[in-house]
Amino acid sequence: KQEVTQIPAALSVPEGENLVLNCSFTDSAIYNLQWFRQDPGKGLTSLLLIQSSQREQTSGRLNASLDKSSGRSTLYIAASQPGDSATYLCAVPLTGANSKLTFGKGITLSVRP
Amino acid sequence: KAGVTQTPRYLIKTRGQQVTLSCSPISGHRSVSWYQQTPGQGLQFLFEYFSETQRNKGNFPGRFSGRQFSNSRSEMNVSTLELGDSALYLCASSISTGGYTEAFFGQGTRLTVV
Repeated sequence: KQEVTQIPAALSVPEGENLVLNCSFTDSAIYNLQWFRQDPGKGLTSLLLIQSSQREQTSGRLNASLDKSSGRSTLYIAASQPGDSATYLCAVPLTGANSKLTFGKGITLSVRP
Repeated sequence: KAGVTQTPRYLIKTRGQQVTLSCSPISGHRSVSWYQQTPGQGLQFLFEYFSETQRNKGNFPGRFSGRQFSNSRSEMNVSTLELGDSALYLCASSISTGGYTEAFFGQGTRLTVV
């Protein structure tokens, strides 16, 4: 059974800092991994998807990496801004053709001005 | 391209009542999944429908049910509401292409049971 872990549960950093959010999964036979952002009381916004054959994906100030062998993914946020404050979740699907996602509990990020 | 639309956004119900939530997926997406999110439990999978058939089911009591229509729109029903059903209910529209699955979420329905 796949388990996804995100530690720490919360993080507070000053504006401008580069930071790394971690995501660990127990079953390395994943098809892809997706990073989401959630603002309080809102739905999830997809940030990046990394396919199992990829090592990295980039979008603006965000960079996500995937290391299947070690069961880890990281989300790198460059030059953090107060607007980046949100909860960040990672998720993996059951299979490449099956949409059931297993989520980590998320990391709540606070960027201080 | 329109995103995932969930209605209503907010609901207040009384214990014992039933409720129906609706989700319209992204055009062309045939998979719709439902999740319950609470502060204590995080995101928990309820069920997934694909082409009108339930393909996966989470560990929730039979009071939680769903269905999908031929246009891929989905509804979720909760009967005999309990206080513990208060949560944010999220719907995801997914597409599987080339060996990977990508999910897109709606804004959620906030259900409060009083």
